[in-house]
Amino acid sequence: AQSVTQPDIHITVSEGASLELRCNYSYGATPYLFWYVQSPGQGLQLLLKYFSGDTLVQGIKGFEAEFKRSQSSFNLRKPSVHWSDAAEYFCAVGPYSSASKIIFGSGTRLSIRP
Amino acid sequence: NAGVTQTPKFRILKIGQSMTLQCAQDMNHNYMYWYRQDPGMGLKLIYYSVGAGITDKGEVPNGYNVSRSTTEDFPLRLELAAPSQTSVYFCASSYPEEGDTEAFFGQGTRLTVV
Repeated sequence: AQSVTQPDIHITVSEGASLELRCNYSYGATPYLFWYVQSPGQGLQLLLKYFSGDTLVQGIKGFEAEFKRSQSSFNLRKPSVHWSDAAEYFCAVGPYSSASKIIFGSGTRLSIRP
Repeated sequence: NAGVTQTPKFRILKIGQSMTLQCAQDMNHNYMYWYRQDPGMGLKLIYYSVGAGITDKGEVPNGYNVSRSTTEDFPLRLELAAPSQTSVYFCASSYPEEGDTEAFFGQGTRLTVV
């Protein structure tokens, strides 16, 4: 069965500290993986995506993610967080075949400590 | 391009009333999705469509209906509104050809059933 797991419901980090948000997936075919961010009261915005090639992908706002096939993981990282990074972050696995659909994780809420 | 447009942005319904949430996209995407987002619960897929005339149930379809008569439009119908349907509803679209499976989201419809 297709699934995406984000084990951390809520994370608080200090401004300027590094960040890693975890994502594990289960998918029967070649996974297309995504990280989205949702600021309060807003829709979802794509941060980055991975289809193939280099397993370390760069996204917007200084975020990066690393695909590890052996661990079925796609963790999101940022070297130094800013107060404006406070938001909800969603990992998702996308369709490859015509019978598939996008599956989202339950999200991780990020709070920034001044 | 307007992207994905949802109307209305806000709505209050009384129990037992019906309404249709509108979703339109102008990107010629063949895939469209409806999600609901409840606090702390992430995104749950209600229905999705892989093309005009084709729809399929997601994780939480009960109490909802959809139709897809055109590529552009994917309305979501609530027939007998219940308090459990109080949520934020997001419509999304994608074009899952290799290298372009990113989902584009509307701004959401906040629905309250009282």
